[in-house]
Amino acid sequence: DTEVTQTPKHLVMGMTNKKSLKCEQHMGHRAMYWYKQKAKKPPELMFVYSYEKLSINESVPSRFSPECPNSSLLNLHLHALQPEDSALYLCASSQWPGLEQYFGPGTRLTVT
Amino acid sequence: AQKITQTQPGMFVQEKEAVTLDCTYDTSDPSYGLFWYKQPSSGEMIFLIYQGSYDQQNATEGRYSLNFQKARKSANLVISASQLGDSAMYFCAMREGYTGTASKLTFGTGTRLQVTL
Repeated sequence: DTEVTQTPKHLVMGMTNKKSLKCEQHMGHRAMYWYKQKAKKPPELMFVYSYEKLSINESVPSRFSPECPNSSLLNLHLHALQPEDSALYLCASSQWPGLEQYFGPGTRLTVT
Repeated sequence: AQKITQTQPGMFVQEKEAVTLDCTYDTSDPSYGLFWYKQPSSGEMIFLIYQGSYDQQNATEGRYSLNFQKARKSANLVISASQLGDSAMYFCAMREGYTGTASKLTFGTGTRLQVTL
């Protein structure tokens, strides 16, 4: 089973809202990732968690706040987003850092 | 400089034919990994195949094989016996550094493959 689940599938939020994206995997993977993907572009890495600790932050604005409550869960808290933050947000996990990553279906976010 | 280069924005292939998607990479790290992912229009990224820099043999997974030419820094994906369901965007990606260390996956710009009847 290589399933990574993400909720919600779609999200529309205003610039003053606070919302959270959720990602879950039950494969015992010890690395989890958040990516942002704009239309017709490759995914761009945002954050990497290794063994539940934040190990890479790709200079992401503070309006995006990741959280890893346990080894199976990864959240992305959103606050005061801009319209240009509208994108597909992909979560992924890998058994160990550096191995092949398995992606969830993504959350399509629209900021109005 | 681009770390991963995919020079074919779009490709067409007839059903049942084989197709090669090109990928070249640039790194000075002796340890790295190369990955291919498929992204259908639904949006989910699907892992296809992996090649480590120290692997002697080319990776194969079913109808997918990776033509790894280390000296030329190329890692082309070969899809044999194309099917209509293979129509998708294909991304080549690279991890620099050893497995086990937190590292970034860098993606190429992708190749959109269309399989025709």
